[in-house]
Amino acid sequence: EAGVTQSPTHLIKTRGQQATLRCSPISGHTSVYWYQQALGLGLQFLLWYDEGEERNRGNFPPRFSGRQFPNYSSELNVNALELEDSALYLCASSVDFGSYEQYFGPGTRLTVT
Amino acid sequence: TQLLEQSPQFLSIQEGENLTVYCNSSSVFSSLQWYRQEPGEGPVLLVTVVTGGEVKKLKRLTFQFGDARKDSSLHITAAQTGDTGLYLCAGARTGTYKYIFGTGTRLKVLA
Repeated sequence: EAGVTQSPTHLIKTRGQQATLRCSPISGHTSVYWYQQALGLGLQFLLWYDEGEERNRGNFPPRFSGRQFPNYSSELNVNALELEDSALYLCASSVDFGSYEQYFGPGTRLTVT
Repeated sequence: TQLLEQSPQFLSIQEGENLTVYCNSSSVFSSLQWYRQEPGEGPVLLVTVVTGGEVKKLKRLTFQFGDARKDSSLHITAAQTGDTGLYLCAGARTGTYKYIFGTGTRLKVLA
């Protein structure tokens, strides 16, 4: 069974540009989570989608947004990139809304110059 | 405010030694998960503890959930270099759907 996949692996953008990160959950999983992990720091919760709906949002500005598609894959968009947005962005999936066991993808390393 | 505090923050030990990592909170959690993360990769789920006082063993790793479901510990027996990584506890407080990660314990096992 394929795990969570993320694309691209690496992304280099300049300040002010927009970035789009993609995530495909494990087959059968309906919940998708996005996290930001700056170098050497912990995981900061960004967004949680389940069945196409945004269920919860972390303490991030509105320029961080996303969506979940009917096939449960998800997209994270970051507008007006700032240098401090450079981080590893991790996507995770879980079986459903009530399960807290999360399975993570390898991440997308976003570098803003 | 960090709801899940882990200690120690860093730990460097020799291969073969035993160690314990703690995850503490003043809040009650419906369950807690433990993950291990290696540099540049996503965390990998190790275990879920649900019942207060529960003990789960995964080979040389022993996980315990506190009786009041506010804390948890991870004990590693005879550590190996392959145990090196960042250990994270995580969970959602009872009555909420906000999932949070602990501050992390960075373990290095030396050969």
